[in-house]
Amino acid sequence: GAVVSQHPSWVICKSGTSVKIECRSLDFQATTMFWYRQFPKQSLMLMATSNEGSKATYEQGVEKDKFLINHASLTLSTLTVTSAHPEDSSFYICSARAWDSPYEQYFGPGTRLTVT
Amino acid sequence: GIQVEQSPPDLILQEGANSTLRCNFSDSVNNLQWFHQNPWGQLINLFYIPSGTKQNGRLSATTVATERYSLLYISSSQTTDSGVYFCAVSLNAGKSTFGDGTTLTVKP
Repeated sequence: GAVVSQHPSWVICKSGTSVKIECRSLDFQATTMFWYRQFPKQSLMLMATSNEGSKATYEQGVEKDKFLINHASLTLSTLTVTSAHPEDSSFYICSARAWDSPYEQYFGPGTRLTVT
Repeated sequence: GIQVEQSPPDLILQEGANSTLRCNFSDSVNNLQWFHQNPWGQLINLFYIPSGTKQNGRLSATTVATERYSLLYISSSQTTDSGVYFCAVSLNAGKSTFGDGTTLTVKP
């Protein structure tokens, strides 16, 4: 149980285009989802916290107009990188907490974004 | 905010050896998880252990919340244990703070 999927697993896009990444909890309902960014050989950096039906809470320094987060249902959250630039290239990972186990996080496999 | 420090930052072992990874945190927490990030980037849940001791096969973990540390033990290490081990802590259902990780390399 507690499986989280992400799609796509990798994507290459041209500078100036937008990319949408989906995060789904497959076998549980997720009241809260988190989006992280990870650079090579570094730890996870929290970008935003997403609660179903409400606006995401962004961490300091994360541009909310650039990284659009939508948590439309208890099993789906999306991250859209708008007008992507090469510096947005990174590994993006989502995680989810179940409504009945609010303290444990379960992670998706990650999405590797390369902007050319 | 809460500071999390993991040690050692890097660890190289011969297959079959045992190891202990440490996670210190700066403030009171009531949630702590250990993860293994494999070479493909997937974070795998190892333990949810806000206090006490748990064991799962060759792995075990102990958290002493009053002294603000947790230990992850790996016995009879295998090459598939290689990767980065993270601990993450939080208070109640708040956001988690991750340590910088311990990179483990197990040589055959």
